[in-house]
Amino acid sequence: RKEVEQDPGPFNVPEGATVAFNCTYSNSASQSFFWYRQDCRKEPKLLMSVYSSGNEDGRFTAQLNRASQYISLLIRDSKLSDSATYLCVVNHMGRRALTFGSGTRLQVQP
Amino acid sequence: GAGVSQSPSNKVTEKGKDVELRCDPISGHTALYWYRQRLGQGLEFLIYFQGNSAPDKSGLPSDRFSAERTGESVSTLTIQRTQQEDSAVYLCASSPAGNSNQPQHFGDGTRLSIL
Repeated sequence: RKEVEQDPGPFNVPEGATVAFNCTYSNSASQSFFWYRQDCRKEPKLLMSVYSSGNEDGRFTAQLNRASQYISLLIRDSKLSDSATYLCVVNHMGRRALTFGSGTRLQVQP
Repeated sequence: GAGVSQSPSNKVTEKGKDVELRCDPISGHTALYWYRQRLGQGLEFLIYFQGNSAPDKSGLPSDRFSAERTGESVSTLTIQRTQQEDSAVYLCASSPAGNSNQPQHFGDGTRLSIL
């Protein structure tokens, strides 16, 4: 079983739609959680950290459910520029390197 | 520079040759990471540096892979006797300290193609 699992998609949604991605992680000792965005043939870039209480950044909302070991990302009012692969990333105390999911591909269509 | 810098951006070489990839982290970042991303796949961790020591080398796939870092600056990843399965994008990231709460900032990567 992979440490971090994501639905690869693609999620094809129209502009203006709301879309949500989930991600599950297997290591209960995981302590830090992030969503990264990766455009085609580009490096991953931090989208947002995920906090236990949930957090929002503009149109993006991230939630963490430690009991069920999953993380979610909600994107409201999708824009064409949101088209990318969204990487769920976790870290746990004993290991400094991040563990990446394989990503969920989002395609926002006009 | 403002961000993580990697060179070369692209490298094409023949099977069996050695290659050296370079990463220049963000100034002041003590933690440095190397990852590999094969086409259409997720990132695989290779090695982590805190300063010039490497407390976690668990991701290096074979003894053909090695890395070193000078102080808290440049790191080089060396692949000896390259194989076709080494073809991938090699990404370097840095963070201010080896603290799991801090996100990592990535360079543009080196796209390595083994013929």
